[in-house]
Amino acid sequence: AQTVTQSQPEMSVQEAETVTLSCTYDTSESDYYLFWYKQPPSRQMILVIRQEAYKQQNATENRFSVNFQKAAKSFSLKISDSQLGDAAMYFCAYRGGSNYKLTFGKGTLLTVNP
Amino acid sequence: DVKVTQSSRYLVKRTGEKVFLECVQDMDHENMFWYRQDPGLGLRLIYFSYDVKMKEKGDIPEGYSVSREKKERFSLILESASTNQTSMYLCASSRGDRRAEPQHFGDGTRLSIL
Repeated sequence: AQTVTQSQPEMSVQEAETVTLSCTYDTSESDYYLFWYKQPPSRQMILVIRQEAYKQQNATENRFSVNFQKAAKSFSLKISDSQLGDAAMYFCAYRGGSNYKLTFGKGTLLTVNP
Repeated sequence: DVKVTQSSRYLVKRTGEKVFLECVQDMDHENMFWYRQDPGLGLRLIYFSYDVKMKEKGDIPEGYSVSREKKERFSLILESASTNQTSMYLCASSRGDRRAEPQHFGDGTRLSIL
């Protein structure tokens, strides 16, 4: 079974600084998708960024980017120029290419200090 | 934008009651999902449905059932509520024809079983 591990239960960053959240996963599949979701205190889970495993280029969405290391099964999220609104729980998630199920990590709570 | 609506933000029920949690999506998505979210455990999949009247068990289906009579609506049923089912419940939906399609989440229902 696939597993997703987020080794940092909590992280903090100063406003305008850069922070990296780590995620590793375990799979025997070659075709899969990886996602980072953000859950602010208001609770609605929203997609931050996604990565297709067959793409070597790291995904980027404005201030958010990933470092996808397929051989190492690592998928870290980098947030640049951190803002107060980035404070949230961040979840890494894996989806195999042959099904619709998402497997989530346990989350990293990010605090942004002014 | 995709809208996933859960019928209640907060719900308090008693042990042994039959509890219904309702979820409606407005984007004609094929797939719908029910998760529970507990501190330190992340999100765990209870059930999902890839079509009307179709369902598959997730990782923790015990004590739950689901119903999908219409494409836009997916109900989670606690047949006989117990205190260990006190949790946050999240509904999600996604398109079925694109594998990199993310799941879109509702606001969640915080359910307390007394």
